[in-house]
Amino acid sequence: EVQLVESGGGLVQPGGSLRLSCAASGFTFDDYAMHWVRQVPGKGLEWVSSISWNSGTINYADSVRGRFTISRDNAKNSQYLQMTSLKTDDTALYYCAKAALRWTTTRNGLDVWGHGIMVTVSS
Amino acid sequence: DIQMTQSPSSLSASVGDRVTITCRASQSISTYLSWYQQRPGEAPKLLIYDASSLQSWVPSRFDGSGSGTDFTLTIISLQPEDFASYYCQQSYSPPYTFGQGTKLEIK
Repeated sequence: EVQLVESGGGLVQPGGSLRLSCAASGFTFDDYAMHWVRQVPGKGLEWVSSISWNSGTINYADSVRGRFTISRDNAKNSQYLQMTSLKTDDTALYYCAKAALRWTTTRNGLDVWGHGIMVTVSS
Repeated sequence: DIQMTQSPSSLSASVGDRVTITCRASQSISTYLSWYQQRPGEAPKLLIYDASSLQSWVPSRFDGSGSGTDFTLTIISLQPEDFASYYCQQSYSPPYTFGQGTKLEIK
């Protein structure tokens, strides 16, 4: 079964840091780009970041560039999102998602999603 | 950055109705457009990619069309399980922006 499982969320104070992890199984992880998408409860989806299959191409939303760092470890079938200088506006459910098409960033959309992990930034 | 504008933001309809949701890009994105369905409490699910290609699980009552800047998602005959939120996303260039979403509710 193709599966993505996020971990590492929780409550953090403004200005703090948190590292999200996403463990993948059921597919050849190092063939696919991976993404992070977030959603404030009751609101819409916001694309956050993507990393290509070989980590050669990395992109960020303007709202997180310079504060968040995406990475992956193909040997561990995992991707990560290091979040620093967190703001209250970063409070959201963070989804890990897989690109649908091999070796492309997101040409055919995101076809597998995790259940999401909640990040709450509050004092 | 490419802005994606969906309309309407909410829609009330009945089982059996035909509904259309539109998504407009701020610049041409060819057919680099995906649609997602999200039910309450669930993760989004990829419905349509490349503007008009249905994922294997998607019933044929769903139809996607468009190219360039204007796209539509049509549900030909609404079923109870179709009441959900729908989002478009462009994959033409980063940041890979989503539309603000359309919440489809039962009338």
